[in-house]
Amino acid sequence: KQEVTQIPAALSVPEGENLVLNCSFTDSAIYNLQWFRQDPGKGLTSLLLIQSSQREQTSGRLNASLDKSSGRSTLYIAASQPGDSATYLCAVLLLKNGNKLVFGAGTILRVKS
Amino acid sequence: NAGVTQTPKFRVLKTGQSMTLLCAQDMNHEYMYWYRQDPGMGLRLIHYSVGEGTTAKGEVPDGYNVSRLKKQNFLLGLESAAPSQTSVYFCASSSGTFKETQYFGPGTRLLVL
Repeated sequence: KQEVTQIPAALSVPEGENLVLNCSFTDSAIYNLQWFRQDPGKGLTSLLLIQSSQREQTSGRLNASLDKSSGRSTLYIAASQPGDSATYLCAVLLLKNGNKLVFGAGTILRVKS
Repeated sequence: NAGVTQTPKFRVLKTGQSMTLLCAQDMNHEYMYWYRQDPGMGLRLIHYSVGEGTTAKGEVPDGYNVSRLKKQNFLLGLESAAPSQTSVYFCASSSGTFKETQYFGPGTRLLVL
């Protein structure tokens, strides 16, 4: 059974710091991996989607990497801002078992001004 | 453009009561999904639909039923609510296959007493 783990569960940093969020998965048979952002009381917004054949994706201050063989992904946020405070979720799309997204529990990020 | 909307936003039920959650999308998406989110567990797929008139079970389908009578709507029903169904429910949709980004609604918070 695919399991997705996110470390740390919570992170607090001062404004301006660069930071890395980690995601690991147990089964490398994935089609893609996505990072989502969730604000309190809101739905999920897709930030970056990395296909299994890709190594990384970038969007503005965000960079996500994927190492399928080791079952790891990282989300790098440069020059963090208070507006980045949210819960960040990673999810993998499986090639089997009904082709569904499996989510990690998320990392709660707080950027202090 | 409303995207994905969910009704109601919040509901309190007594054990044994029934209710229906409504999800609507205006993006002409084929695929629709219902998830539940519980603290520390990430999102788990309840049921999904790959087109009008179709439904399929996800990871945690027990105690729920769904219907997709119209392409733009996906209904989630609880026939006899239990306290274990206290959760936040998210609906999502995507354009074609699981390979593409899913768009999420704002969620329905359900409390079963």
